[in-house]
Amino acid sequence: GQQVMQIPQYQHVQEGEDFTTYCNSSTTLSNIQWYKQRPGGHPVFLIQLVKSGEVKKQKRLTFQFGEAKKNSSLHITATQTTDVGTYFCAGLGQTGANNLFFGTGTRLTIIP
Amino acid sequence: DTEVTQTPKHLVMGMTNKKSLKCEQHMGHRAMYWYKQKAKKPPELMFVYSYEKLSINESVPSRFSPECPNSSLLNLHLHALQPEDSALYLCASSQWTSGNEQFFGPGTRLTVL
Repeated sequence: GQQVMQIPQYQHVQEGEDFTTYCNSSTTLSNIQWYKQRPGGHPVFLIQLVKSGEVKKQKRLTFQFGEAKKNSSLHITATQTTDVGTYFCAGLGQTGANNLFFGTGTRLTIIP
Repeated sequence: DTEVTQTPKHLVMGMTNKKSLKCEQHMGHRAMYWYKQKAKKPPELMFVYSYEKLSINESVPSRFSPECPNSSLLNLHLHALQPEDSALYLCASSQWTSGNEQFFGPGTRLTVL
């Protein structure tokens, strides 16, 4: 079955440091989405990438979709305490059905 | 209204009980979903409804029974659950059924005794 792995599983950074999480799929994806889940909260959509090699930016967040459409990354510049949470990538398979496969997630904690 | 609501927020039930989880959205979305999330794990897709019809059932045991009475409502009927079914149950919706962002509700935290 389809698997979407993320590394690292946990990341502790000092406030102001950068953070990156990597997402790898066992199969080619039609698109990839990123979600953030705060502690005790629910997943909140951040962005969707569709094209091979696509790069999108949202303020301090940079998202990238690999050329082979099997991997993706999220980079946060100069982390802030509000960035705390678990970041999930979620891949949509090529079958056309809307069944997202969530990655294993990276839990980010910030040391003030 | 750009939110998905879920009731109840918390639910404790015995293994012989029958209960229902409810989800509602008024964004005109045509796809609705049920996910199960265990602690420190990603959400796992259970069911997808597209235009009020069940389109995906990810091999979920029959003790979970989804229902979509209309385009705004989604229920999950629970019967004879096991303690390992304790989890956060998340409802989500999206505008269409192909590759759109999903809006999640706050979830129902279920404990099965």
